[in-house]
Amino acid sequence: DVKVTQSSRYLVKRTGEKVFLECVQDMDHENMFWYRQDPGLGLRLIYFSYDVKMKEKGDIPEGYSVSREKKERFSLILESASTNQTSMYLCASSFTLAGLDYEQYFGPGTRLTVT
Amino acid sequence: EDQVTQSPEALRLQEGESSSLNCSYTVSGLRGLFWYRQDPGKGPEFLFTLYSAGEEKEKERLKATLTKKESFLHITAPKPEDSATYLCAVFQGAQKLVFGQGTRLTINP
Repeated sequence: DVKVTQSSRYLVKRTGEKVFLECVQDMDHENMFWYRQDPGLGLRLIYFSYDVKMKEKGDIPEGYSVSREKKERFSLILESASTNQTSMYLCASSFTLAGLDYEQYFGPGTRLTVT
Repeated sequence: EDQVTQSPEALRLQEGESSSLNCSYTVSGLRGLFWYRQDPGKGPEFLFTLYSAGEEKEKERLKATLTKKESFLHITAPKPEDSATYLCAVFQGAQKLVFGQGTRLTINP
């Protein structure tokens, strides 16, 4: 079974703090993703990575950065947390084979509250 | 713009009452449509991938079908444990998924 783990289930941070969210997958997937999920807005892609040290902006990258130093690990960084970044953060991974992209597997999520 | 629209937003059924959820999409060159189940406070759980019109996939009480414009998730004789939000998604460009807003399904015992 594919396993995607996230470092925290719940996190409370103060405005202006630097926040690190970690994600690890154990299936040797080349693609990894960070989403946020908000009521009424659904799942929105923040950043994704298709290889080590590679990253691509998603639909809402402002205020975030990412790091992928190892294939199995993808980190989301909030440089200076703000209250509008309070959300559920979801990490996912997938593989690509012969040019075909396959389904994404999600972690359990991190509920981040910024006060 | 590629879009995914799910209906209804919410559906309440009695245990054993079969029904269908709809996912309509507008995307040029479909490269895959995905169904997920999401329980409150948890990450989405992968259910099915459909690649071409006419394709069907089944898992327990769930059956997903695909046409050129929409997909249906049929739920046969549901049980209370089938209560969840069901999401569909399609590829938008390489690797990127665009998700619908989901259908919140409640099965009453």
